[in-house]
Order: sequence, then C-alpha cells, then structure tokens
Amino acid sequence: ILNVEQSPQSLHVQEGDSTNFTCSFPSSNFYALHWYRWETAKSPEALFVMTLNGDEKKKGRISATLNTKEGYSYLYIKGSQPEDSATYLCALSADSWGKLQFGAGTQVVVTP
Amino acid sequence: DAGVIQSPRHEVTEMGQEVTLRCKLISGHNSLFWYRQTMMRGLELLIYFNNNVPIDDSGMPEDRFSAKMPNASFSTLKIQPSEPRDSAVYFCASSLALAGGTNEQFFGPGTRLTVL
Repeated sequence: ILNVEQSPQSLHVQEGDSTNFTCSFPSSNFYALHWYRWETAKSPEALFVMTLNGDEKKKGRISATLNTKEGYSYLYIKGSQPEDSATYLCALSADSWGKLQFGAGTQVVVTP
Repeated sequence: DAGVIQSPRHEVTEMGQEVTLRCKLISGHNSLFWYRQTMMRGLELLIYFNNNVPIDDSGMPEDRFSAKMPNASFSTLKIQPSEPRDSAVYFCASSLALAGGTNEQFFGPGTRLTVL
C-alpha cells in the first residue's frame, strides 16, 4: 500500500489570496501522481496527472509541481475565488491498470 | 458523451434487503472502479476490473458484497443482506487503462445508500 499524506487537513483562505498545500509520499514507487478536485455533493474531477520529477502542470489559476526525489507535490491556487472551495485529493497510481491510492484530502474554504 | 452513469442516485432500504447498484462506463473505457465514501474512512476502493476481469477485490468489506461486469460497458455492485453500516455514497469510476498507469479516472455521480 502506498502511503499518501496530505497537509493541511483544511484551510481557510480570503478571496483574492493565494494558497498552496502539500501531498507527500515516502516512496516514489508509483506510476503517476494525480490531483482531483471534489466539490461538496459532487463527484471527484481530475485536475492533473503528473509523471516525471520536476513535472509542472497548470490549469487557469491552479498549478502543481512534483518532486519525486524529495517526496512531495504542491498544489497552488493563485488569487483564490469562492468557486475554488472544495476538497483537493492527491492520489498515486499503484499499478499499470491505474489503481489509485488516495490521500485524505485538503479541504479549502474560500471566503468572500 | 454522457459520462459515467450510475443508478439509482438514492436508495433507501431496510436492513436485510438486497441492494443492487449499477454503473455504465464511458464508451471506449476498459477499466471500472467501485469506491465507497464514508465520514470515517473517506474514499476507499472496493474492487476494480480491467477488460471485464476483476483485478483486485481486496477492498470488498465482506462476503455480503459482490460485483460483476457482465459486459464491457456495465457493472453491478450487490449487497446481500444489507446492514445499516453499509450506508454510504458509492461511486463508480471508469478509465482507459494505458500502459504506464497514468490514466485519469472519471467518476459517476454516486449512489447514496441508506440502510435503515
């Protein structure tokens, strides 16, 4: 089983502020690292799939980096908006069929 | 594409009854994952299939749970008999499994199960 730790568990951000949070893993024995966005009462939606050390992805105001040597990935939200409020899940691909090992998530609340 | 389709969206049943949850994959996808979401355990993987074959069912909690994939696009998760502690949201996700395990999963809307 791949251990996936996410921190912090939750955070509150003022609208317009930027924020970031962490996904850490003790072992780099995985195929890819995924970030999912999960809004309340909805389903998880994929944000990024990251495969290489030093990989960086960006979608609008959200970006992510991966450092497999140090064992972490950061997700950044620039200029947070209330619609960014969600739980952000990190997951590792554990096998070639794409089995995902999810972290517990970071709950982000953006207040106007 | 309509995305992953799950039915029913809500199910309320009494303890001891059989419950069947259904999932239709995205056309062209070949992997199917069943998850359960609870407050205590978060999102946990129950079982997954690749090309209709069960790959790993180690997450299935008990023999009361069973899953099938009778064809390439459809799967069922059955609980018999159901118990109150089975109350949860059950998600189905599909993906196109390519070599390298980098495929993203697309989640269905979930089925909220309440066992009284």
